[in-house]
Amino acid sequence: DAKTTQPNSMESNEEEPVHLPCNHSTISGTDYIHWYRQLPSQGPEYVIHGLTSNVNNRMASLAIAEDRKSSTLILHRATLRDAAVYYCILRNSGGSNYKLTFGKGTLLTVNP
Amino acid sequence: GAGVSQSPSNKVTEKGKDVELRCDPISGHTALYWYRQSLGQGLEFLIYFQGNSAPDKSGLPSDRFSAERTGGSVSTLTIQRTQQEDSAVYLCASSRRGGEGQGYTFGSGTRLTVV
Repeated sequence: DAKTTQPNSMESNEEEPVHLPCNHSTISGTDYIHWYRQLPSQGPEYVIHGLTSNVNNRMASLAIAEDRKSSTLILHRATLRDAAVYYCILRNSGGSNYKLTFGKGTLLTVNP
Repeated sequence: GAGVSQSPSNKVTEKGKDVELRCDPISGHTALYWYRQSLGQGLEFLIYFQGNSAPDKSGLPSDRFSAERTGGSVSTLTIQRTQQEDSAVYLCASSRRGGEGQGYTFGSGTRLTVV
Protein backbone atom coordinates (compact mmCIF):
# COMPACT_ATOMS: atom_id res chain seq x y z
CA ASP A 1 0.00 0.00 0.00
CA ALA A 2 1.15 3.54 -0.71
CA LYS A 3 2.31 5.52 2.29
CA THR A 4 0.41 8.31 4.03
CA THR A 5 1.80 11.12 6.20
CA GLN A 6 -0.20 12.71 9.01
CA PRO A 7 0.70 15.12 11.81
CA ASN A 8 1.35 13.33 15.09
CA SER A 9 -1.14 15.45 17.00
CA MET A 10 -3.63 18.29 16.69
CA GLU A 11 -5.76 20.29 19.09
CA SER A 12 -9.17 21.78 18.67
CA ASN A 13 -11.77 23.55 20.76
CA GLU A 14 -15.21 22.13 21.30
CA GLU A 15 -17.83 23.18 18.74
CA GLU A 16 -15.20 24.42 16.30
CA PRO A 17 -14.44 22.77 12.95
CA VAL A 18 -11.40 20.52 12.69
CA HIS A 19 -9.41 19.87 9.53
CA LEU A 20 -7.20 16.79 9.72
CA PRO A 21 -4.69 16.65 6.85
CA CYS A 22 -3.19 13.62 5.13
CA ASN A 23 -0.51 13.56 2.44
CA HIS A 24 -0.31 10.64 0.03
CA SER A 25 1.92 11.81 -2.78
CA THR A 26 2.49 8.30 -4.20
CA ILE A 27 -1.22 7.42 -4.43
CA SER A 28 -2.20 5.37 -7.48
CA GLY A 29 -5.30 5.85 -9.59
CA THR A 30 -6.98 2.82 -8.01
CA ASP A 31 -6.27 3.66 -4.37
CA TYR A 32 -9.24 4.55 -2.20
CA ILE A 33 -8.67 6.96 0.70
CA HIS A 34 -10.08 5.59 3.95
CA TRP A 35 -10.33 7.26 7.36
CA TYR A 36 -10.75 5.43 10.62
CA ARG A 37 -10.64 6.67 14.18
CA GLN A 38 -9.87 4.93 17.43
CA LEU A 39 -11.36 6.20 20.65
CA PRO A 40 -9.59 5.32 23.91
CA SER A 41 -9.92 1.64 24.84
CA GLN A 42 -11.95 0.83 21.73
CA GLY A 43 -11.33 -0.78 18.36
CA PRO A 44 -10.98 1.43 15.30
CA GLU A 45 -14.17 2.83 13.81
CA TYR A 46 -14.75 3.46 10.11
CA VAL A 47 -15.35 7.14 9.41
CA ILE A 48 -15.45 7.75 5.67
CA HIS A 49 -13.80 6.87 2.38
CA GLY A 50 -13.52 8.29 -1.12
CA LEU A 51 -11.78 7.91 -4.45
CA THR A 52 -11.83 11.21 -6.34
CA SER A 53 -14.84 13.30 -5.36
CA ASN A 54 -15.47 14.93 -2.01
CA VAL A 55 -17.68 12.85 0.27
CA ASN A 56 -20.05 13.69 3.09
CA ASN A 57 -21.68 11.46 5.67
CA ARG A 58 -23.22 11.91 9.09
CA MET A 59 -19.85 11.73 10.81
CA ALA A 60 -17.58 13.86 8.66
CA SER A 61 -16.63 15.21 5.25
CA LEU A 62 -13.69 14.15 3.13
CA ALA A 63 -12.10 16.72 0.85
CA ILE A 64 -9.77 15.25 -1.79
CA ALA A 65 -7.30 17.42 -3.65
CA GLU A 66 -7.66 17.59 -7.40
CA ASP A 67 -4.34 15.78 -7.92
CA ARG A 68 -5.33 13.28 -5.15
CA LYS A 69 -1.97 13.70 -3.46
CA SER A 70 -3.58 14.94 -0.29
CA SER A 71 -6.90 14.84 1.51
CA THR A 72 -8.52 16.43 4.54
CA LEU A 73 -10.97 14.95 6.99
CA ILE A 74 -13.34 17.63 8.22
CA LEU A 75 -15.26 17.41 11.48
CA HIS A 76 -17.71 20.28 11.24
CA ARG A 77 -18.26 20.82 14.98
CA ALA A 78 -15.86 18.98 17.24
CA THR A 79 -17.23 17.47 20.43
CA LEU A 80 -15.37 15.96 23.35
CA ARG A 81 -16.40 12.54 22.01
CA ASP A 82 -14.36 13.19 18.86
CA ALA A 83 -11.10 13.00 20.82
CA ALA A 84 -9.36 10.01 19.23
CA VAL A 85 -6.52 8.86 17.00
CA TYR A 86 -7.46 9.42 13.36
CA TYR A 87 -5.92 7.17 10.71
CA CYS A 88 -5.69 7.97 7.00
CA ILE A 89 -5.20 4.76 4.98
CA LEU A 90 -4.92 4.01 1.28
CA ARG A 91 -6.57 0.84 0.09
CA ASN A 92 -6.10 -0.38 -3.47
CA SER A 93 -9.09 -1.61 -5.41
CA GLY A 94 -7.22 -4.53 -6.96
CA GLY A 95 -4.98 -7.40 -5.93
CA SER A 96 -4.32 -7.77 -2.23
CA ASN A 97 -6.68 -4.97 -1.28
CA TYR A 98 -8.16 -6.65 1.77
CA LYS A 99 -5.46 -5.51 4.16
CA LEU A 100 -5.67 -2.18 5.96
CA THR A 101 -2.21 -0.95 6.96
CA PHE A 102 -2.45 1.42 9.89
CA GLY A 103 0.22 4.07 10.50
CA LYS A 104 0.64 6.16 13.67
CA GLY A 105 -2.31 8.44 12.89
CA THR A 106 -3.10 11.86 14.33
CA LEU A 107 -4.02 12.18 17.99
CA LEU A 108 -6.82 14.76 18.17
CA THR A 109 -7.35 16.52 21.49
CA VAL A 110 -10.59 18.47 21.92
CA ASN A 111 -10.57 21.19 24.56
CA PRO A 112 -13.81 22.10 26.36
CA GLY B 1 -25.45 -9.59 15.34
CA ALA B 2 -25.38 -5.84 15.43
CA GLY B 3 -21.61 -5.62 15.71
CA VAL B 4 -18.43 -7.66 15.93
CA SER B 5 -18.30 -9.44 19.26
CA GLN B 6 -15.06 -10.58 20.88
CA SER B 7 -14.59 -12.69 23.97
CA PRO B 8 -13.23 -12.59 26.51
CA SER B 9 -12.82 -8.84 26.82
CA ASN B 10 -9.89 -9.36 29.20
CA LYS B 11 -7.64 -12.36 29.73
CA VAL B 12 -4.80 -12.76 32.18
CA THR B 13 -2.74 -15.89 31.71
CA GLU B 14 0.48 -17.34 33.01
CA LYS B 15 3.50 -17.55 30.78
CA GLY B 16 3.57 -20.89 28.97
CA LYS B 17 -0.19 -21.45 28.98
CA ASP B 18 -2.33 -21.65 25.84
CA VAL B 19 -5.13 -19.15 25.19
CA GLU B 20 -8.05 -18.98 22.78
CA LEU B 21 -9.61 -15.73 21.67
CA ARG B 22 -12.98 -15.72 19.96
CA CYS B 23 -14.51 -13.45 17.35
CA ASP B 24 -18.13 -13.37 16.21
CA PRO B 25 -18.33 -11.28 13.02
CA ILE B 26 -21.34 -9.46 11.69
CA SER B 27 -23.77 -11.89 10.07
CA GLY B 28 -23.20 -12.05 6.34
CA HIS B 29 -19.68 -10.64 6.45
CA THR B 30 -17.52 -13.08 4.53
CA ALA B 31 -14.20 -11.39 5.27
CA LEU B 32 -12.65 -11.52 8.75
CA TYR B 33 -9.37 -10.04 9.99
CA TRP B 34 -7.28 -10.29 13.12
CA TYR B 35 -5.00 -7.46 14.24
CA ARG B 36 -3.11 -6.83 17.43
CA GLN B 37 -2.12 -3.61 19.12
CA SER B 38 0.64 -3.49 21.68
CA LEU B 39 0.66 -0.73 24.29
CA GLY B 40 1.18 2.64 22.62
CA GLN B 41 1.74 1.04 19.22
CA GLY B 42 -0.12 0.93 15.94
CA LEU B 43 -2.25 -1.91 14.67
CA GLU B 44 -0.39 -4.94 13.35
CA PHE B 45 -2.12 -7.19 10.80
CA LEU B 46 -2.13 -10.89 11.73
CA ILE B 47 -4.38 -12.89 9.41
CA TYR B 48 -7.20 -12.55 6.88
CA PHE B 49 -10.06 -14.99 6.22
CA GLN B 50 -12.33 -15.09 3.22
CA GLY B 51 -15.03 -17.57 4.17
CA ASN B 52 -13.28 -20.40 6.00
CA SER B 53 -10.02 -20.02 4.06
CA ALA B 54 -7.06 -17.94 5.17
CA PRO B 55 -5.33 -16.69 2.01
CA ASP B 56 -3.02 -14.44 4.02
CA LYS B 57 -1.42 -15.59 7.26
CA SER B 58 1.67 -13.48 6.73
CA GLY B 59 1.23 -11.42 9.87
CA LEU B 60 1.23 -14.29 12.37
CA PRO B 61 4.41 -13.62 14.39
CA SER B 62 5.40 -17.23 15.06
CA ASP B 63 4.17 -20.82 14.76
CA ARG B 64 2.74 -20.48 18.28
CA PHE B 65 -0.05 -18.47 16.69
CA SER B 66 -2.85 -20.10 14.71
CA ALA B 67 -6.38 -19.22 13.73
CA GLU B 68 -9.35 -20.97 12.27
CA ARG B 69 -12.79 -20.03 11.09
CA THR B 70 -15.74 -22.38 10.88
CA GLY B 71 -19.06 -22.10 9.05
CA GLY B 72 -17.92 -18.85 7.52
CA SER B 73 -18.68 -17.24 10.83
CA VAL B 74 -16.92 -17.56 14.20
CA SER B 75 -13.14 -17.38 14.30
CA THR B 76 -10.75 -18.47 17.03
CA LEU B 77 -7.20 -17.18 17.44
CA THR B 78 -5.05 -19.56 19.48
CA ILE B 79 -1.74 -18.68 21.07
CA GLN B 80 0.25 -21.61 22.40
CA ARG B 81 2.89 -21.39 25.12
CA THR B 82 2.22 -17.69 25.68
CA GLN B 83 5.12 -15.32 26.23
CA GLN B 84 5.16 -11.90 27.86
CA GLU B 85 5.68 -10.22 24.50
CA ASP B 86 2.29 -11.62 23.42
CA SER B 87 0.61 -9.15 25.80
CA ALA B 88 -1.49 -6.84 23.63
CA VAL B 89 -5.04 -6.03 22.58
CA TYR B 90 -6.19 -8.48 19.92
CA LEU B 91 -8.73 -6.94 17.56
CA CYS B 92 -11.05 -8.67 15.14
CA ALA B 93 -12.80 -6.99 12.22
CA SER B 94 -15.18 -8.10 9.50
CA SER B 95 -16.46 -6.75 6.21
CA ARG B 96 -18.89 -7.82 3.53
CA ARG B 97 -16.07 -8.89 1.29
CA GLY B 98 -12.38 -8.21 0.97
CA GLY B 99 -12.97 -5.90 -1.96
CA GLU B 100 -12.45 -2.28 -2.60
CA GLY B 101 -14.32 0.59 -1.05
CA GLN B 102 -15.47 -1.42 1.95
CA GLY B 103 -15.32 -0.30 5.51
CA TYR B 104 -14.33 -2.72 8.22
CA THR B 105 -16.25 -3.09 11.48
CA PHE B 106 -13.97 -3.75 14.42
CA GLY B 107 -14.78 -5.38 17.72
CA SER B 108 -13.69 -3.89 21.04
CA GLY B 109 -10.85 -6.34 21.32
CA THR B 110 -9.49 -8.82 23.86
CA ARG B 111 -6.85 -7.43 26.18
CA LEU B 112 -4.36 -10.23 26.81
CA THR B 113 -1.92 -9.96 29.68
CA VAL B 114 0.74 -12.64 30.08
CA VAL B 115 2.26 -12.70 33.58
